[in-house]
Amino acid sequence: SQKIEQNSEALNIQEGKTATLTCNYTNYSPAYLQWYRQDPGRGPVFLLLIRENEKEKRKERLKVTFDTTLKQSLFHITASQPADSATYLCALDSSGGSYIPTFGRGTSLIVHP
Amino acid sequence: GAVVSQHPSRVICKSGTSVKIECRSLDFQATTMFWYRQFPKQSLMLMATSNEGSKATYEQGVEKDKFLINHASLTLSTLTVTSAHPEDSSFYICSLLDGTSGGTYEQYFGPGTRLTVT
Repeated sequence: SQKIEQNSEALNIQEGKTATLTCNYTNYSPAYLQWYRQDPGRGPVFLLLIRENEKEKRKERLKVTFDTTLKQSLFHITASQPADSATYLCALDSSGGSYIPTFGRGTSLIVHP
Repeated sequence: GAVVSQHPSRVICKSGTSVKIECRSLDFQATTMFWYRQFPKQSLMLMATSNEGSKATYEQGVEKDKFLINHASLTLSTLTVTSAHPEDSSFYICSLLDGTSGGTYEQYFGPGTRLTVT
């Protein structure tokens, strides 16, 4: 069955360091992958989308990579700040070309001042 | 991106009563909106796809008679939880798709509604 895996353990890092979050998937052939940010008690906010034929996408301090061979995406936040503390969700378009993405559980990031 | 609002943000109701949650698209005409449910530390689970002017499409395992969805206009979808039970307590989030991004589909989410059934 299809599965999206994100580290359930919180990632704790020091302010100014680069945070790297991982999204692994099995039994998918996604056309694209998305990353969202979710703060406690709030709905997710779209951050970045990367297509299957793209290796890397950047937006300000954010960088996403997409390795379809490894079936993995890495999400990087450079020069991290305490305000970056949140849960980050990855989402893949479902098999069969559905435009409705399926979400991972998310990884909590805590940036310490 | 599109702006989505939800009302109420929090609601507490007694077991056996019904609760209506509104989802509004403030600046985007959405023919399709989605309803999700999220339990603590769990992923978003799609409940149903709400289509303007037609019946909603429910995911497997979601009772359509319990979770009534009405998408009466291009800017409003409502979810009514009927005969609520404590196990229906959850965080309900709506979203809409922006299909104008060159063939990819970014979702814009509402702020969510925390339902507690006592």
